[in-house]
Amino acid sequence: KQEVTQIPAALSVPEGENLVLNCSFTDSAIYNLQWFRQDPGKGLTSLLLIQSSQREQTSGRLNASLDKSSGRSTLYIAASQPGDSATYLCAVGPANDYKLSFGAGTTVTVRA
Amino acid sequence: SQTIHQWPATLVQPVGSPLSLECTVEGTSNPNLYWYRQAAGRGLQLLFYSVGIGQISSEVPQNLSASRPQDRQFILSSKKLLLSDSGFYLCAWTALANYGYTFGSGTRLTVV
Repeated sequence: KQEVTQIPAALSVPEGENLVLNCSFTDSAIYNLQWFRQDPGKGLTSLLLIQSSQREQTSGRLNASLDKSSGRSTLYIAASQPGDSATYLCAVGPANDYKLSFGAGTTVTVRA
Repeated sequence: SQTIHQWPATLVQPVGSPLSLECTVEGTSNPNLYWYRQAAGRGLQLLFYSVGIGQISSEVPQNLSASRPQDRQFILSSKKLLLSDSGFYLCAWTALANYGYTFGSGTRLTVV
């Protein structure tokens, strides 16, 4: 069974600092990895999708890397802003079906 | 473009009452559909998924059931709600594994 772990569970940084969020998974036989953002009481918004054949994806200030062999992904958010405050979830899609496995998330607070 | 609709946004129901949550997807055909639950302070738990009309797979034995009466409609039901059914329910869809998941805005269910 795939286990997804996100460290740290919570993070508080001053505005302008770069954010580094970590995700690890136990089974490297994945199809893709997806990073989501969740604001309090809201649904999940997809940030980045990395296919298993890719090493990284970028969108604006966001960059996500994937190392399948070591079972790790890292989400970088450059020059953080108070609007980046949210919970960030990592989800792994297995190679043999369509069911995502989620980490518990990292709750980020960016202080103005 | 594809959109996903989920309603109601908020629901307060007494113990023992029935439940019906609906999710519809627009702009795509034959999507894979999912129901997830997010309990307070916990991660996302996959409840049901469907790869076609009338095809439902249950991940966790529980008080809930799901149905897919039409290609782009997914319904979560219960005959008698329990206090433990309280949580945040999210519907999601994907066309193919390499397209990633898209989530609805969620339903906050409180059983009293």
